[in-house]
Amino acid sequence: GAVVSQHPSRVICKSGTSVKIECRSLDFQATTMFWYRQFPKQSLMLMATSNEGSKATYEQGVEKDKFLINHASLTLSTLTVTSAHPEDSSFYICSATGTSVYNEQFFGPGTRLTVL
Amino acid sequence: RKEVEQDPGPFNVPEGATVAFNCTYSNSASQSFFWYRQDCRKEPKLLMSVYSSGNEDGRFTAQLNRASQYISLLIRDSKLSDSATYLCVVYNYGQNFVFGPGTRLSVLP
Repeated sequence: GAVVSQHPSRVICKSGTSVKIECRSLDFQATTMFWYRQFPKQSLMLMATSNEGSKATYEQGVEKDKFLINHASLTLSTLTVTSAHPEDSSFYICSATGTSVYNEQFFGPGTRLTVL
Repeated sequence: RKEVEQDPGPFNVPEGATVAFNCTYSNSASQSFFWYRQDCRKEPKLLMSVYSSGNEDGRFTAQLNRASQYISLLIRDSKLSDSATYLCVVYNYGQNFVFGPGTRLSVLP
């Protein structure tokens, strides 16, 4: 299957700092990328959907000024958590879809964010 | 009613057992269907896309019933390594992917 990478895999930061997470599709062009958040023992929660070159579409309740998403190319999307707080500590996972007619979604390995 | 619903689980089965998971979806216009598995503290991994005619991959068989808006996953000869949470995912064209809550499977020695 297609490969999606995420960096960093784990980050610990102080409250008030900003953290940038990168998501890359390594062997295909990602027409759409998704950002999810998952708290322990809970389901994935979609945060936003982004298409290359356009503004991300945020889900209800997700602050776009706090979670900045940039999808600058067909292989790279970034999520920046601005002014992070302890309640932002979570597992952040990106995914990407390409041009397959079946629209499979391939996930990155996730980034575990801990805000102290 | 949630858009995608799954068996609540957990399922605890012995090695070698056959286990079936069910999933229903509410949007009759949904176009693509998938089963993912997610191991603890890991990302979901695509297990199978579900085609209208049903499909099989080794010990795994997926079925789709559009009339009943129902998807199933059958695992035969369960292995310890099959222990995971199985996610039913539905894609609505032009909208997004909708995840079911997942069904947890534990295969016991």
